[in-house]
Amino acid sequence: SAVISQKPSRDICQRGTSLTIQCQVDSQVTMMFWYRQQPGQSLTLIATANQGSEATYESGFVIDKFPISRPNLTFSTLTVSNMSPEDSSIYLCSVWDRGTVTDTQYFGPGTRLTVL
Amino acid sequence: TQLLEQSPQFLSIQEGENLTVYCNSSSVFSSLQWYRQEPGEGPVLLVTVVTGGEVKKLKRLTFQFGDARKDSSLHITAAQTGDTGLYLCVSDAGGTSYGKLTFGQGTILTVHP
Repeated sequence: SAVISQKPSRDICQRGTSLTIQCQVDSQVTMMFWYRQQPGQSLTLIATANQGSEATYESGFVIDKFPISRPNLTFSTLTVSNMSPEDSSIYLCSVWDRGTVTDTQYFGPGTRLTVL
Repeated sequence: TQLLEQSPQFLSIQEGENLTVYCNSSSVFSSLQWYRQEPGEGPVLLVTVVTGGEVKKLKRLTFQFGDARKDSSLHITAAQTGDTGLYLCVSDAGGTSYGKLTFGQGTILTVHP
């Protein structure tokens, strides 16, 4: 199994500023992902964080708005840039772990972001 | 991208009642997962179903995978207040896209004492 921690757990930010969210995993994992969960809604994949190379973004998400770093197999950051109130969401880090019987996805506790 | 239709969106029931949540797709699932998310936490995996017709039980929770692998259901018997949360059906793109999950809209379950 994998235990994931995120920092900060929540933040309130002003419009136009940027926030960097950190994700730390207690073991080395191949695949790391960032998801967004808007208020009252389900989760949407933002991007796959690739170790040592540029992240792979899903449709509707771009690197200039959501730059991602992944310097090693246990750590990643997501930056929400030039924030607007529409960016108010929960941002979740996730990892995929290949098990001996089944593959399992684990999620961090999320970072609750409010943009004023 | 596979689209998942989950219903109902909201469920409010009394403790001791039974309930069923449904998840449907127009295309075949390679596999399907059910997660539960509590406020302030990330989703936690409950079960993965892979084989058409499969039934899995997790205490009072029963998960079914349709024979054609295009639908699934979650049935909770004698609901308890601790079952309150957001229930999500999820499909994995599979192949070389491990971990790239598609989520249903979710079912918010509230169990009243």
